[in-house]
Amino acid sequence: GAGVSQSPSNKVTEKGKDVELRCDPISGHTALYWYRQSLGQGLEFLIYFQGNSAPDKSGLPSDRFSAERTGGSVSTLTIQRTQQEDSAVYLCASKKGWANTEAFFGQGTRLTVV
Amino acid sequence: EDKVVQSPLSLVVHEGDTVTLNCSYEVTNFRSLLWYKQEKKAPTFLFMLTSSGIEKKSGRLSSILDKKELFSILNITATQTGDSAVYLCAVDTGTASKLTFGTGTRLQVTL
Repeated sequence: GAGVSQSPSNKVTEKGKDVELRCDPISGHTALYWYRQSLGQGLEFLIYFQGNSAPDKSGLPSDRFSAERTGGSVSTLTIQRTQQEDSAVYLCASKKGWANTEAFFGQGTRLTVV
Repeated sequence: EDKVVQSPLSLVVHEGDTVTLNCSYEVTNFRSLLWYKQEKKAPTFLFMLTSSGIEKKSGRLSSILDKKELFSILNITATQTGDSAVYLCAVDTGTASKLTFGTGTRLQVTL
């Protein structure tokens, strides 16, 4: 696609439910990042995929968070048993391969846990 | 641990003023420094800097990197209300690494 696409754009869920957030990167971009941004805060790194390499999961805050990337393209971030502190905007970005270039961001998913 | 620090945290200026935003970093491996503008949700790319002392310019915005002192500045001249946003600085630490972001500078330009 022309840009990074994320869905849904907004999600309201009840505490304790599981949610799945989707990211469709720019075609041909092998690097994909997930970040979380709480209200008024900076971007908190969650996970990074690069081609077929093992993902860098060092930013995932707990084992309730997981992500996968199928076929080197679409990625899904799953949050199990959501808590109110999970409420944030979840941003996905992609970049062309190993190149030293900029990353392009999607519009994000605003997650609200009530 | 890699660290990126931005200052000031927030800034209010009048239209027409010139502003300078700061970004300093401490990282184990440096590949590039990037500036983004975030108005609503999606940060949009402004500049990527890899070499010291070479100014990047786009209209009223410019940026420069000092790899010896480990900082970068983003200048905006003749500010307009449309420049109101959060400006994010990030460091790319290598081919197999994440982008590390600062907390951002919130700029508000008033009439």
